[in-house]
Amino acid sequence: EPEVTQTPSHQVTQMGQEVILRCVPISNHLYFYWYRQILGQKVEFLVSFYNNEISEKSEIFDDQFSVERPDGSNFTLKIRSTKLEDSAMYFCASSEGAGTYEQYFGPGTRLTVT
Amino acid sequence: AQKITQTQPGMFVQEKEAVTLDCTYDTSDQSYGLFWYKQPSSGEMIFLIYQGSYDEQNATEGRYSLNFQKARKSANLVISASQLGDSAMYFCAMRESLNTGNQFYFGTGTSLTVIP
Repeated sequence: EPEVTQTPSHQVTQMGQEVILRCVPISNHLYFYWYRQILGQKVEFLVSFYNNEISEKSEIFDDQFSVERPDGSNFTLKIRSTKLEDSAMYFCASSEGAGTYEQYFGPGTRLTVT
Repeated sequence: AQKITQTQPGMFVQEKEAVTLDCTYDTSDQSYGLFWYKQPSSGEMIFLIYQGSYDEQNATEGRYSLNFQKARKSANLVISASQLGDSAMYFCAMRESLNTGNQFYFGTGTSLTVIP
């Protein structure tokens, strides 16, 4: 069964450093998403991406964040200058369509900022 | 106001019994979707069941069913015949404006423990 994959599974970085989290969505899916989950808290929407552009973003997704689909398969989330409060699990998700289609989540990348 | 409210931070159920996990939602949209996801201790998010706002029948998927009460804005998940592997966090989520919106709003989750 096709699945969303994410790399790395765990990333440790120092405050102020740039990180890139990588995702490979399910191949025939058209919509891509990033969510984050601070330890013990709920999952929060960051951004959605469709047709090579951001279609929706939350207030969390400020100028420090960017997303890119550099080729036909990868979908990346970049954090330019990490802060301690960026420590969280970051989930990538994809869906075949909008609306009623469920989003398939990847296993997540745990980001630890020290 | 919270879009999704899950008032049970933790629940316990005896193996083979049924359990109901509560979820209420807040939206002024007519067209929306409600989803339940399971998050085991390993961390991944697993889709369980979907209910559309216009669906007249309650959704069912195997041992999972969704008790959808539109007037009360509730979408409770019912797990029948609980198994030890059902122990996990369960998140209720909503997508508004099904024709245009992409964002999922998640609740704070309910931690379910199945007791042998």
